Amino acid sequence: DTGVSQDPRHKITKRGQNVTFRCDPISEHNRLYWYRQTLGQGPEFLTYFQNEAQLEKSRLLSDRFSAERPKGSFSTLEIQRTEQGDSAMYLCASSLELVRDRESGELFFGEGSRLTVL
Amino acid sequence: LAKTTQPISMDSYEGQEVNITCSHNNIATNDYITWYQQFPSQGPRFIIQGYKTKVTNEVASLFIPADRKSSTLSLPRVSLSDTAVYYCLVGPTGANNLFFGTGTRLTVIP
Repeated sequence: DTGVSQDPRHKITKRGQNVTFRCDPISEHNRLYWYRQTLGQGPEFLTYFQNEAQLEKSRLLSDRFSAERPKGSFSTLEIQRTEQGDSAMYLCASSLELVRDRESGELFFGEGSRLTVL
Repeated sequence: LAKTTQPISMDSYEGQEVNITCSHNNIATNDYITWYQQFPSQGPRFIIQGYKTKVTNEVASLFIPADRKSSTLSLPRVSLSDTAVYYCLVGPTGANNLFFGTGTRLTVIP
């Protein structure tokens, strides 16, 4: 396995259009996360899946955002009616569920999908 | 999750040891301290994690005093390729919504 992969790496769209990003996590990882990162800031948590269940959503995830992980493998993040403020890097990460004490819970990030809304 | 405070930026010459300190006054009993590194146009990468005293791996050392209200990431003999943003995170292992903050931008100078 080559790690977490995201597609597309870059997306330029016009305001009002819908966009969808895909994330393929490391195959044995059952946890999957979406983060958003704007220039000069650290990544901000958007949402988290354990297998196919979306267990937590940030207040940053407005109604225009929807994420799915239908079979507990890959995930998609869709943004409807994009706005210029949605321009950011969208990062996906995956991790193993902790089953033993003292495991690090390390997140493995993809290289991100950069969205530019004109 | 406990908030963290770290310097916005640091410069260092190649070959020097770099120490980046992070303050986390409100750390909870079950919180661990984790550091990530991020290069431009890439996702963050895990460096090291610790709970108390000292942790060392092949990349870095992490020093945590007894009160755990701060921690120091130590990078031995930095090279130009260590130029990156370093994030200090505090929370339980396996926390779902990690807070990255703005990190410390380290620039290594030839």
